[in-house]
This record gives sequence, structure tokens and C-alpha cells, in this order.
Amino acid sequence: QQKVQQSPESLIVPEGGMASLNCTFSDRNSQYFWWYRQHSGEGPKALMSIFSNGDKKEGRFTAHLNKASLYVSLHIKDSQPSDSALYFCAANTDKVVFGTGTRLQVSP
Amino acid sequence: ETAVFQTPNYHVTQVGNEVSFNCKQTLGHDTMYWYKQDSKKLLKIMFSYNNKQLIVNETVPRRFSPQSSDKAHLNLRIKSVEPEDSAVYLCASSRDWGSQDTQYFGPGTRLLVL
Repeated sequence: QQKVQQSPESLIVPEGGMASLNCTFSDRNSQYFWWYRQHSGEGPKALMSIFSNGDKKEGRFTAHLNKASLYVSLHIKDSQPSDSALYFCAANTDKVVFGTGTRLQVSP
Repeated sequence: ETAVFQTPNYHVTQVGNEVSFNCKQTLGHDTMYWYKQDSKKLLKIMFSYNNKQLIVNETVPRRFSPQSSDKAHLNLRIKSVEPEDSAVYLCASSRDWGSQDTQYFGPGTRLLVL
């Protein structure tokens, strides 16, 4: 069964800093990956998807995928207090499996 | 902009009672899901429906049962709740039962079982 592990569990970065979130998955047949963000009291919301190896940039967010290494990451440049949230990666083979989550706190 | 709606927001009940949660999506999606988010914030899939048909039924206790009247609605009933059922229940939808489809989540229903 697919296992999706995230690290670190929690992360504190200063405002304006770079946040780096990591995710490993176990099923080599995984093809599609997402990063979701969940603010307190809300449901998760998709930030971005990545389906091909390499980097994908959307504004301040850059996702990186290396399927051979079973690894996907998310980098947040110029972090803002509004980025403080719980972040999930998700991987899909026959169904979507969500990772264990990373709690990001951006300190003003 | 909310397109997946859940009611109620919050529900407190006693052990052994029955509860029902409602979910409606206005995105025109064919697939809907129920997830359970526990106190450690882990997201666990419970059920998936595609065009009113159950396609995924994870190992959940029999007291949980999904109900779909049409592809825009997916409700969740829990007969005889237990303390371990205390959690946030999240409803989601996606365009289709396809590998590439992003899921859209509602705000969740928080259940507290006393």
C-alpha cells in the first residue's frame, strides 16, 4: 500500500525567507502529484500539481519531482505570514494518498 | 470561493447516537469523496463515489454508510457513534475518477462524541 511521508513535521521560517518541504512516496507506479495547503478551520486547497520530472514554478511556489528517487518537494520563496498552514503532498496511482503533513509557521 | 458545501459545521453528540452529515458540490463534478481527518491531522479516505456509484470503500467500521441521491450530493451517516469517531469529516469532489484530477474540498464537519 502506498505510503507518503513528509518532512519536516513542522517548520518555522522568518517572513521573507525560503521554506522547503519534502515528500517521499513508496509506489513506483505513482504518476501524479499535488501539493495542498490547509489553513486552520478550512478544508485543504490544491496549490499546484506536478506530473513530469523536474521543476514547476507558479509564482512564489516551486515544486520539484524526481520519480526515480520517489521524491517530490515544494519550495516557497519570500514566505508570508499568510503562508502559515498545514501542507500536504498527495500521490496518485489507482487512488490519491495524502502525506503526513508539514506545519509551516512564518514568523513576522 | 466555496464550491463544496458541508453541513453542519460542528456537531456534538453522545456515544450511541446516530448522526448525518451533508455534502453538496456545485462544480459539476462526477466524483465525490469522504475523508476523515484525525487529531494528528492525517487525511484518510473513507469512500469514493463516481456518478452515484460506490467505487472505493476503504476499511471503515460498518456503522459508517455513505448515501448519494445524485452526483452533486454525497451524505455520510454514522449509526451509533463511538468516541474514536471524533474527528473532522471532509467532503471533496473531482471532475472524474481520473488519475490527473485535482480534488476540491469542503470546509469540513467537526464531530465531537462525548
